[in-house]
Amino acid sequence: QSVLAQPPSASGTPGQRVTISCSGSNSNIGENTVNWYQQLPGTAPKLLISFNSHRPSGVPDRFSGSASGTSASLAISGLQSEDEAVYYCAAWDDSLYGPVFGGGTKLTVL
Amino acid sequence: QVQLVQSGAEIIKPGASVNVSCRTSGYKFLSYFIHWVRQAPGQGLEWMGRINPDSGVTNSPLKFQGRVTMTRDTSISTAYMQLSSLRSDDTAIYYCARRLSPAAPFDFWGRGTLVTVSS
Repeated sequence: QSVLAQPPSASGTPGQRVTISCSGSNSNIGENTVNWYQQLPGTAPKLLISFNSHRPSGVPDRFSGSASGTSASLAISGLQSEDEAVYYCAAWDDSLYGPVFGGGTKLTVL
Repeated sequence: QVQLVQSGAEIIKPGASVNVSCRTSGYKFLSYFIHWVRQAPGQGLEWMGRINPDSGVTNSPLKFQGRVTMTRDTSISTAYMQLSSLRSDDTAIYYCARRLSPAAPFDFWGRGTLVTVSS
């Protein structure tokens, strides 16, 4: 059981917009910013969104993030087949004094 | 460019220990914490602990305390993670990743080291 809660799966057709939610608590998302990672099959996670909504260099602007209270979300617009991956949310947890992750959401492009 | 290069896959017998290395380059080693994160087959990401390369101070979650040892060699910009008393459920890919501070993200990751625990 992961500390942050994510839906296990999501799907959409090419061109659609999908959102993935991430729910936490006051000790993590409520106090610290959220980061999102994309993990393509057989590869290491890659930073997708940092500090709730910042896109690192090279990340397409189709990806966006937001956070409010103890929840956060990742939105992907103009869905493409290459977006098929597992997406993880993460945040620092002040009680654990370490990072916590969501269980991951497997995105399928239909 | 920033690189974190990990040691190769290991097959380890139950009860033994494994050592994984993470050789870094392309940035100032002392400026970023090195964290260790593992991923069991088909599962999510699990934080195992971190080391401050400058001071050598480590911290890890209760689950791994007493079993995980993190060290570093500043002369070769390399971090190490040793996990002892291995069990079958320790079979996983072990990643190292760098992080500037608690507020910052994991911005670069190693490619991972597959550790298989099997008799």
